[in-house]
Amino acid sequence: EAGVVQSPRYKIIEKKQPVAFWCNPISGHNTLYWYRQNLGQGPELLIRYENEEAVDDSQLPKDRFSAERLKGVDSTLKIQPAELGDSAVYLCASSFSYEQYFGPGTRLTVT
Amino acid sequence: GEDVEQSLFLSVREGDSSVINCTYTDSSSTYLYWYKQEPGAGLQLLTYIFSNMDMKQDQRLTVLLNKKDKHLSLRIADTQTGDSAIYFCAESERSGGGADGLTFGKGTHLIIQP
Repeated sequence: EAGVVQSPRYKIIEKKQPVAFWCNPISGHNTLYWYRQNLGQGPELLIRYENEEAVDDSQLPKDRFSAERLKGVDSTLKIQPAELGDSAVYLCASSFSYEQYFGPGTRLTVT
Repeated sequence: GEDVEQSLFLSVREGDSSVINCTYTDSSSTYLYWYKQEPGAGLQLLTYIFSNMDMKQDQRLTVLLNKKDKHLSLRIADTQTGDSAIYFCAESERSGGGADGLTFGKGTHLIIQP
């Protein structure tokens, strides 16, 4: 069974540029999560989807971050415009019940 | 608010047992997890325990939960060099059809001495 797929794996952009991350969850997993992991820290939840519905986006900085999960499968997380402090690893996870499986992450560097 | 605390480093000799500890504050935590993260990689789910359990064993891994003290531990028997990684403790509640997002500790760096 394929795991959670994320792309790109690495992204370097200049501040004020837009950036997007893509996630394909494990087949059949209706819950999808986006986390951000800063250096030396544990991941922090940004948004959780149940199928197409964002059921918890309280930690998503809505002035510059947006996310969508069309058709309840793939998801895209966007930052526009990016700031220096957005440099981090962005992790996607999916679950069917209580076990959350993570993708390899996208390492974003904002210069 | 929710908080998960872990010590930052643990050093053990190869072949010894490693015990990684974690404390949490949220009394409504339903699920407690241990994840492993190797350099440049995502998080690998190692094991989990429900809050109505006090122990779970899976091959070399033993999880102990003291719900009264809100203390969780992960014991790795016969520690090998391949166990060198960062270990994250995490907790979650369950709402609706799925589990809430996880609240993670900062991670414990497990260092293996030859």
